Amino acid sequence: ELKVEQNPLFLSMQEGKNYTIYCNYSTTSDRLYWYRQDPGKSLESLFVLLSNGAVKQEGRLMASLDTKARLSTLHITAAVHDLSATYFCAVEGPSSGAGSYQLTFGKGTKLSVIP
Amino acid sequence: DGGITQSPKYLFRKEGQNVTLSCEQNLNHDAMYWYRQDPGQGLRLIYYSQIVNDFQKGDIAEGYSVSREKKESFPLTVTSAQKNPTAFYLCASSRRGDRRNKNIQYFGAGTRLSVL
Repeated sequence: ELKVEQNPLFLSMQEGKNYTIYCNYSTTSDRLYWYRQDPGKSLESLFVLLSNGAVKQEGRLMASLDTKARLSTLHITAAVHDLSATYFCAVEGPSSGAGSYQLTFGKGTKLSVIP
Repeated sequence: DGGITQSPKYLFRKEGQNVTLSCEQNLNHDAMYWYRQDPGQGLRLIYYSQIVNDFQKGDIAEGYSVSREKKESFPLTVTSAQKNPTAFYLCASSRRGDRRNKNIQYFGAGTRLSVL
């Protein structure tokens, strides 16, 4: 059974600081997704990482994937208040349906950026 | 506008009642999914469907039922057998849940279900 663990689960940081969110998973996978969720809202796709060593950047966020370590990181550079949200990683793995691959989500990291 | 529409936004269920949550997509996606989100938790998969007239149980299917009669629609029924239905329910769709594609799932705005 695929398990996905994120840490930290809660993160309070000051504007302008840097920090990293970690996503570990338990079984082999080479596809990982990062999503953002604002309070009471839906999930928005941020990054798709499709191979070992993949790195994607968008603004102040950078995501990377190390499939050998079964680890993805989401790095926040010079945080701003608008980045306050909950961030989820999701790992793609085989499910019980033949030929079917589903996402298993971590519990999410709730990020609060304090002015 | 292409997207996923969930309705209603808020829903209240009485004891012993079945309720149905609607999910419609106009993205021409083959695969559709239902997730449940509890406070402080990640998303847990209830049911998914890769093609019309076919669906599979996810991790927490007990007390729920679905149908997929049309490509665009994947309604979820929360039955009276689901003893703890209070949660935020999210519907998603993707091109297809297999290895040929990037399976980015696009989500609807969600339905918040509460028990009266």
